[in-house]
Amino acid sequence: DQQVKQNSPSLSVQEGRISILNCDYTNSMFDYFLWYKKYPAEGPTFLISISSIKDKNEDGRFTVFLNKSAKHLSLHIVPSQPGDSAVYFCAASARGSGGSNYKLTFGKGTLLTVNP
Amino acid sequence: DGGITQSPKYLFRKEGQNVTLSCEQNLNHDAMYWYRQDPGQGLRLIYYSQIVNDFQKGDIAEGYSVSREKKESFPLTVTSAQKNPTAFYLCASSTFGSGRTDTQYFGPGTRLTVL
Repeated sequence: DQQVKQNSPSLSVQEGRISILNCDYTNSMFDYFLWYKKYPAEGPTFLISISSIKDKNEDGRFTVFLNKSAKHLSLHIVPSQPGDSAVYFCAASARGSGGSNYKLTFGKGTLLTVNP
Repeated sequence: DGGITQSPKYLFRKEGQNVTLSCEQNLNHDAMYWYRQDPGQGLRLIYYSQIVNDFQKGDIAEGYSVSREKKESFPLTVTSAQKNPTAFYLCASSTFGSGRTDTQYFGPGTRLTVL
C-alpha cells in the first residue's frame, strides 16, 4: 500500500520556465511533508518542508504548496535551471502521533530534466 | 565539516556472505536510519535507532541486522538471508527529543552488488 505517490516518473521543462512536481498521499495522519533532491549515486539532499498548519512555504526559487483537503502537495521551481535536473522525492511523516513516529515515508520519485 | 560518511562507496560480495556497511555521523544527531533504494523505487526503511543501544525494525528488516553502540555510528549488516541484497544503501540521521526535527540528512550511499 503506497501511502505517498508521485504519479509522474519524469518531467521535462525548458530552462527558465516553471517546474511543477506533484505528490499525493493517502494517510490522513501525515502532518509534515518534505522534498528531497537526489543526483545519481549520491544521497538525497533536503530541499524544503511544510507543516500541515500551513498551505505554502517558500525558499528562494522553491515553493511548496499543500492542499490538505485533496491530500496533495506540489513543489514549484521558478525559474528552472539545468542544475536542477535530478530525481525529486516527496516524503511525509506523522509528527502528531504521540511523538513516537519519526519515520519518513517516501514516494518513488520524479526525474526532472531541465533542458538548456 | 559536519556530516554523514558511508564506506565503502562500492562493495562487491559473493552470494552467501555477510557484509557490513559503515555509517558515521558527527552532527551530534540522536536518531539514525538505514534505507535501501532500488531502481525506480523510493527509499524503503530497513532499521532505525532513536537512541544508543536501541533500534527498531523498519518496513523491510528481514535479512538485515544493526547495532548502535555509539551515538555517532550505526553499522548495517546484510546477511546471507537477504534474498535480493543488490541495491543502493543510504544512511541518514536527524535530531530527536526536545530538538526534534523530521528533516533527515543523508550520507552519500553505498552501492552493494552481489555476484
